[in-house]
Amino acid sequence: EAGVAQSPRYKIIEKRQSVAFWCNPISGHATLYWYQQILGQGPKLLIQFQNNGVVDDSQLPKDRFSAERLKGVDSTLKIQPAKLEDSAVYLCASSLGLGAEGRGTQYFGPGTRLLVL
Amino acid sequence: QQQVKQSPQSLIVQKGGISIINCAYENTAFDYFPWYQQFPGKGPALLIAIRPDVSEKKEGRFTISFNKSAKQFSLHIMDSQPGDSATYFCAASKGAQKLVFGQGTRLTINP
Repeated sequence: EAGVAQSPRYKIIEKRQSVAFWCNPISGHATLYWYQQILGQGPKLLIQFQNNGVVDDSQLPKDRFSAERLKGVDSTLKIQPAKLEDSAVYLCASSLGLGAEGRGTQYFGPGTRLLVL
Repeated sequence: QQQVKQSPQSLIVQKGGISIINCAYENTAFDYFPWYQQFPGKGPALLIAIRPDVSEKKEGRFTISFNKSAKQFSLHIMDSQPGDSATYFCAASKGAQKLVFGQGTRLTINP
């Protein structure tokens, strides 16, 4: 079974530029998550989708971040314009469905490392 | 109240020794406590998880101990091996809500 795929793996941009990340979840997984992991910290949830609907985006900086999951499969996360403090690893995860365990077990992709200069 | 506090930040253990990482939480509504293992350049991977109705769960060399009254839980790695060197994160969630992660512990096992 293929895992969660993310691209690009690395991205370097200058502040005020825009950037987009792509995620392809495990086949059949209805729930998709985007996390931000700043160096030396644990992942922080940015947004959670159930199929193509948003379940939780309470920690998404909506003035600059946006995400979509068209057709309930792939997802893109965009930052526009980027700030220095957005430098982090952006992790995508997926699960079969909602729930703390079993169906809700989250499987993570390798992440996209973003550096904003 | 949504925080999960993890300690220590870094840990060095000799091969064959016991590695112990601790976490504490405030929100008594949390009902799922997983531990994730992360290698450099990789995403976190679920290692072991526990629910608050049991005090201990063991899977191979990995054991979670859970103290509901103290709102603490810990990961014990027995017979630690160099391949266990990684960053470990504890986390907590309530039902279907988002995982709240600890700050992480960088574990180094010396051969």
